[in-house]
Amino acid sequence: QKEVEQDPGPLSVPEGAIVSLNCTYSNSAFQYFMWYRQYSRKGPELLMYTYSSGNKEDGRFTAQVDKSSKYISLFIRDSQPSDSATYLCARMNTGFQKLVFGTGTRLLVSP
Amino acid sequence: GAVVSQHPSWVICKSGTSVKIECRSLDFQATTMFWYRQFPKQSLMLMATSNEGSKATYEQGVEKDKFLINHASLTLSTLTVTSAHPEDSSFYICSARLGASNQPQHFGDGTRLSIL
Repeated sequence: QKEVEQDPGPLSVPEGAIVSLNCTYSNSAFQYFMWYRQYSRKGPELLMYTYSSGNKEDGRFTAQVDKSSKYISLFIRDSQPSDSATYLCARMNTGFQKLVFGTGTRLLVSP
Repeated sequence: GAVVSQHPSWVICKSGTSVKIECRSLDFQATTMFWYRQFPKQSLMLMATSNEGSKATYEQGVEKDKFLINHASLTLSTLTVTSAHPEDSSFYICSARLGASNQPQHFGDGTRLSIL
């Protein structure tokens, strides 16, 4: 079982839709969770960084962590064509050394 | 803030040559930098962790003599792919972490390496 599981997609939505991206993880020792956005041929860009269970909101983005079910989500409201990218979830272990990434979900937002 | 610059962005070279990739933190000091490799449509795989002034820690299966890492200052780490071969062609990405170990990593824009 992979440490971080993510549906590779692609996920296609019309402009303005609410997008839900999800990850599951297997090790309850994971403490910190991140969402990165990666455009084609670019490095990942940090979107959200969360520690505790619950919601964290930043503009159109909301990150949700449910440690009891080992499930993390990223919601994008009012999606735009410029949101088309690959979204990577990542976790950091309690030793704070390494990030482990999911495979990424490719999102396509059509005008 | 937290800008990481990587250079070059794309390099094509002949088999057998060595290629150096630079990673700089532009507006912060990074005691720790990381080097990743990414194949098409796959996620990032950590190659090594680089701490300023000490030897890099390589992940299992990564040849340290093949991928030389130097982290001589708090703002610069380099990855040298020695005697590169076509199978080394990939997208190499560095990241840097601000200060405390529980801080997130910030990534450069990657280097596309093509070995002919």
